[in-house]
Amino acid sequence: DTGVSQDPRHKITKRGQNVTFRCDPISEHNRLYWYRQTLGQGPEFLTYFQNEAQLEKSRLLSDRFSAERPKGSFSTLEIQRTEQGDSAMYLCASSKPDPEGYNEQFFGPGTRLTVL
Amino acid sequence: AQSVTQPDIHITVSEGASLELRCNYSYGATPYLFWYVQSPGQGLQLLLKYFSGDTLVQGIKGFEAEFKRSQSSFNLRKPSVHWSDAAEYFCAVGVRENNNDMRFGAGTRLTVKP
Repeated sequence: DTGVSQDPRHKITKRGQNVTFRCDPISEHNRLYWYRQTLGQGPEFLTYFQNEAQLEKSRLLSDRFSAERPKGSFSTLEIQRTEQGDSAMYLCASSKPDPEGYNEQFFGPGTRLTVL
Repeated sequence: AQSVTQPDIHITVSEGASLELRCNYSYGATPYLFWYVQSPGQGLQLLLKYFSGDTLVQGIKGFEAEFKRSQSSFNLRKPSVHWSDAAEYFCAVGVRENNNDMRFGAGTRLTVKP
């Protein structure tokens, strides 16, 4: 079990540029989540996938954000035309079906985005 | 919708002293409750969770938490804090009807004095 991995760990970009982050979940986990965490706050849910299907999106996910999980394994989160307000830590988590009924989420180390 | 409040933004304790971090939630039914720890620049690590049953749950690293329905609380405790416990702690609540909708508190930053 290698855990959830995210790449890159840090990204600095200029306002208006596009950025893409990658998340590799734990191999047997069929659910994958993206969260955003700004300084001094807890993580906020952005979206989640079950296998390759994107089942839920938060209102926080504006039109400039798009997430994909094309083969039901790794996922990408793209931000187009970045704004300074997009500066945050982007966390990925994964889970598998749980007989107790709750999908415990395992988190990756995050990608810290700085928009200059 | 469910929500989580962590009243203490920052707590400082001496090494070896006891610790209690407060968490209050708002939800109409029995929620799923979690405590996570986050070291600087790192992701979140699950300390413990409550789904049902015994209201006192034990976690990793010597932490425990007690679910009190009457107070809508899920406070985290540790009898003797170690310097390595310095980190940010997040309480989270999950919804039984939509178990992908997890809400986090704003976090409590723990500083440990030598």
